[in-house]
Amino acid sequence: AQSVTQLDSQVPVFEEAPVELRCNYSSSVSVYLFWYVQYPNQGLQLLLKYLSGSTLVKGINGFEAEFNKSQTSFHLRKPSVHISDTAEYFCAVSSGNTPLVFGKGTRLSVIA
Amino acid sequence: DAGVIQSPRHEVTEMGQEVTLRCKPISGHDYLFWYRQTMMRGLELLIYFNNNVPIDDSGMPEDRFSAKMPNASFSTLKIQPSEPRDSAVYFCASSSLAGVETQYFGPGTRLLVL
Repeated sequence: AQSVTQLDSQVPVFEEAPVELRCNYSSSVSVYLFWYVQYPNQGLQLLLKYLSGSTLVKGINGFEAEFNKSQTSFHLRKPSVHISDTAEYFCAVSSGNTPLVFGKGTRLSVIA
Repeated sequence: DAGVIQSPRHEVTEMGQEVTLRCKPISGHDYLFWYRQTMMRGLELLIYFNNNVPIDDSGMPEDRFSAKMPNASFSTLKIQPSEPRDSAVYFCASSSLAGVETQYFGPGTRLLVL
């Protein structure tokens, strides 16, 4: 069985500061990894995904994530956040032809 | 494409009433997922379909919940009878492959059972 742990439930950060949202996964097989973002009163939308190849994945809105197999991690980073990045961020894992398993989410609050 | 469409966007009902949530997936997507989101439990997968056939309904909380997909462009999630603890946001999502391709989420239905 697969599982995802998002280590921080809330992350406050000042505008223009860098941020890292942490995600660790557990799986006995090869994995595909995803980050989704949920803005208030909206559904989730894909930020980025890792399927294979380069372990550094770039997504929308200046976000990137790095797949680290030895540490079973897929942390999300942005060098400089904006007020508009305030949202909830979900890490998810899949082994292929199975539904995504989501973490409990990290609420990012950007402070002006 | 209009994306995943859900209706209604908001539903307020009284305990014991039947509630029906509706979803239209993106055309051409073979997979459809129903999720429930609450503060306490986060995002839970209730059931998913492949080519209109239910594949895994182990996340459906009780017999009060049922889901159908009569054709490739329509699915319903029904709660009968509803209870206050069913209050949550229910999301529908679709994708062309279950765990590899992007899941596209609808805007959700916010359900409040009084």
